[in-house]
Amino acid sequence: QQQVKQSPQSLIVQKGGISIINCAYENTAFDYFPWYQQFPGKGPALLIAIRPDVSEKKEGRFTISFNKSAKQFSLHIMDSQPGDSATYFCAAGWGKLQFGAGTQVVVTP
Amino acid sequence: DAGITQSPRYKITETGRQVTLMCHQTWSHSYMFWYRQDLGHGLRLIYYSAAADITDKGEVPDGYVVSRSKTENFPLTLESATRSQTSVYFCATRDYNEQFFGPGTRLTVL
Repeated sequence: QQQVKQSPQSLIVQKGGISIINCAYENTAFDYFPWYQQFPGKGPALLIAIRPDVSEKKEGRFTISFNKSAKQFSLHIMDSQPGDSATYFCAAGWGKLQFGAGTQVVVTP
Repeated sequence: DAGITQSPRYKITETGRQVTLMCHQTWSHSYMFWYRQDLGHGLRLIYYSAAADITDKGEVPDGYVVSRSKTENFPLTLESATRSQTSVYFCATRDYNEQFFGPGTRLTVL
């Protein structure tokens, strides 16, 4: 069973717009919540991560919002650029990671 | 400074054959992982290793075997390949919490 559920499966956003991807987890023991970015033909690479003692973390145009009580976290990509077109995976865990199914983001010019 | 290398990058094999996917790291990270990536499933953990000679099952270990005699190498063997094992396989290492992924091996089982 998938312990981390990610939505949407795909999204299309115009250049300059905001992309929002949501994830929900089940295991309250999870203490590390990363987002990975993957380009076609490449391995995933860490984009940004958060721990449950923080409700928000921002790095450049990327922000994680974390809601511990709801067991949900989300990735916001501000001012989306064509170079952000990729597949994004959320994950959760405490050593081993459980990954979401992925969201394919397409940013149109 | 390659980090993680995987070989081969592409492999086509037939049902019932044994296949070994290689993973090599140039760091000395203790933890290494094998994942498979399938559309709609994200990345699923097959096996992981905490150190040389220490391995453990992940979420989908059936049909796979691993070994780790040296810290830098973590081969994954499909003892008798099946069509359901057609996938993209990623090796990863971990430094503190961050996992670093290799470029992947695309395996097709006919």
